[in-house]
Amino acid sequence: GAVVSQHPSWVICKSGTSVKIECRSLDFQATTMFWYRQFPKQSLMLMATSNEGSKATYEQGVEKDKFLINHASLTLSTLTVTSAHPEDSSFYICSARNLAGVEQYFGPGTRLTVT
Amino acid sequence: GQNIDQPTEMTATEGAIVQINCTYQTSGFNGLFWYQQHAGEAPTFLSYNVLDGLEEKGRFSSFLSRSKGYSYLLLKELQMKDSASYLCAVRDSNYQLIWGAGTKLIIKP
Repeated sequence: GAVVSQHPSWVICKSGTSVKIECRSLDFQATTMFWYRQFPKQSLMLMATSNEGSKATYEQGVEKDKFLINHASLTLSTLTVTSAHPEDSSFYICSARNLAGVEQYFGPGTRLTVT
Repeated sequence: GQNIDQPTEMTATEGAIVQINCTYQTSGFNGLFWYQQHAGEAPTFLSYNVLDGLEEKGRFSSFLSRSKGYSYLLLKELQMKDSASYLCAVRDSNYQLIWGAGTKLIIKP
């Protein structure tokens, strides 16, 4: 199956700093990438959908100025959490889909802890 | 509104069979997915149903009835490694995935 990688797998940062998470599709062209957040014992929450070369579409309640998403190429999307706060601590997961694809392929996730 | 319901938790015995149900109400339907998620890991794809009926893949099978807004995931010959959360997701008319809260499956020896 298709492979999606995420980096870093975990990160600890101080409150007020920014953190960038990378999502890469390793063996296919990801025309659409999705960013999810998952709090402990809760389901996935879609944050935003990004199409290559276009601005991301954010879900209601997600601050686009705080969660900056860039999808500049068909194999890379980045999520930057700006001015992170402890309540941003969560498991962030990306997924990717190609143009003709039915299935979304998930990255392994990034665990963010803000102290 | 859009809604996907599945049981919060189920317990089953190693070697047995378990059925995890999912009911949905969405604006449009373009397929139903089942994912497995182990604690602390990302979801992995199990099955996809877009037409009514049963899809079998090894020990796992998934059933769909679009008229009833209903699906189930059937796991046979349960193994301890099957202990995980199982997520039901429906793709709506906008091709967005709507996620259920997941069913935590506990396998006992």
